[in-house]
Amino acid sequence: GQQLNQSPQSMFIQEGEDVSMNCTSSSIFNTWLWYKQDPGEGPVLLIALYKAGELTSNGRLTAQFGITRKDSFLNISASIPSDVGIYFCAGLNYGGSQGNLIFGKGTKLSVKP
Amino acid sequence: DAGVTQSPTHLIKTRGQQVTLRCSPISGHKSVSWYQQVLGQGPQFIFQYYEKEERGRGNFPDRFSARQFPNYSSELNVNALLLGDSALYLCASSFGLAGGNPGELFFGEGSRLTVL
Repeated sequence: GQQLNQSPQSMFIQEGEDVSMNCTSSSIFNTWLWYKQDPGEGPVLLIALYKAGELTSNGRLTAQFGITRKDSFLNISASIPSDVGIYFCAGLNYGGSQGNLIFGKGTKLSVKP
Repeated sequence: DAGVTQSPTHLIKTRGQQVTLRCSPISGHKSVSWYQQVLGQGPQFIFQYYEKEERGRGNFPDRFSARQFPNYSSELNVNALLLGDSALYLCASSFGLAGGNPGELFFGEGSRLTVL
């Protein structure tokens, strides 16, 4: 089945630094999404991307839908302590169920004040 | 506005038992999806229901079943529990085919199942 390779697995950075993480797939997706999960909670949608090449921002977060439709990246600028959590990329194909997201294994972000 | 609510939040079962997990979607959402999240992994798709019909099924055995009720709430049932079924079970709601953007799921906090 489809799998997403998400990297890095974990990051430990200083407050104020920029963060970059990415996700690659062996097959194409119609939609790329980035979710964040805090301990004891469900994932929360950060950014959704619907067109190849699309670059979208949400505050300090910027994500891009790769032109090949097989990859996406997420950047966080000027990190703050509340950015701590696990970030998941997810892909969706319209041919299947629209609730069937394929998730990566996550990038665990730790921020040192 | 209430988000997605799931119950119970935590439960412990023994091998061979059966479990029922419940989910209430956000008001106005007609689609419910279920995911299994094993510790250290991303969520894995189990089922999607829209307008009380199954619209998608992931690669899970027949021990897993679900249904959606007329008020759009949903139940996930797992029979003959195995140790490997220990996980966080997440419910997500969306407008589904009734609107919204594809893939924009709103997750509950999950039901943490431990199988001993």
